[in-house]
Amino acid sequence: GAVVSQHPSWVICKSGTSVKIECRSLDFQATTMFWYRQFPKQSLMLMATSNEGSKATYEQGVEKDKFLINHASLTLSTLTVTSAHPEDSSFYICSATSGLQNQPQHFGDGTRLSIL
Amino acid sequence: DAKTTQPPSMDCAEGRAANLPCNHSTISGNEYVYWYRQIHSQGPQYIIHGLKNNETNEMASLIITEDRKSSTLILPHATLRDTAVYYCIVRVVKTSYDKVIFGPGTSLSVIP
Repeated sequence: GAVVSQHPSWVICKSGTSVKIECRSLDFQATTMFWYRQFPKQSLMLMATSNEGSKATYEQGVEKDKFLINHASLTLSTLTVTSAHPEDSSFYICSATSGLQNQPQHFGDGTRLSIL
Repeated sequence: DAKTTQPPSMDCAEGRAANLPCNHSTISGNEYVYWYRQIHSQGPQYIIHGLKNNETNEMASLIITEDRKSSTLILPHATLRDTAVYYCIVRVVKTSYDKVIFGPGTSLSVIP
């Protein structure tokens, strides 16, 4: 079945640094990719939607200058958390879809980000 | 906001069928019903989806009411590994628009 790879799976870094998370669709072309954030014991919260070759659409309350999203190809999207602070610590999950309504989104295994 | 409502938690005995309900009373004609599950600290896993007809695959069955305002996910023989949070989602894909919002889901505990 379709596979989405997310890297890294776990990262710890100091406050003030920037962290890049990669999301790759391994066996299909992802016209649309989504980025979610999940806090403990809560559901997934959609941060932004990105279409290949165009700017990401951010959900209300998500700072676009803080969370930089690039979707440069049909198989790769990146999320960069700039100048990360402890409150940015969370579980970040990407998903990808071919853009057809009858085809599901496929999710990566998530990235556990801890900012010290 | 999520367009679905689910019970927050359910228990099921191992080996029995788990029936997870979902209400989506405002669903529109071109929206699909999708089910995912999330095991602790992993990304969500796709289970099944449907539009109008009932669907079955190797993981589960999906029963959609005739008016499409509700659906039930059935895990025919629940195992301990089926313990997870199950999310019911409605989704429409239009040109330049595709958004999937997760509600709180149902936390299913399969009990030995």
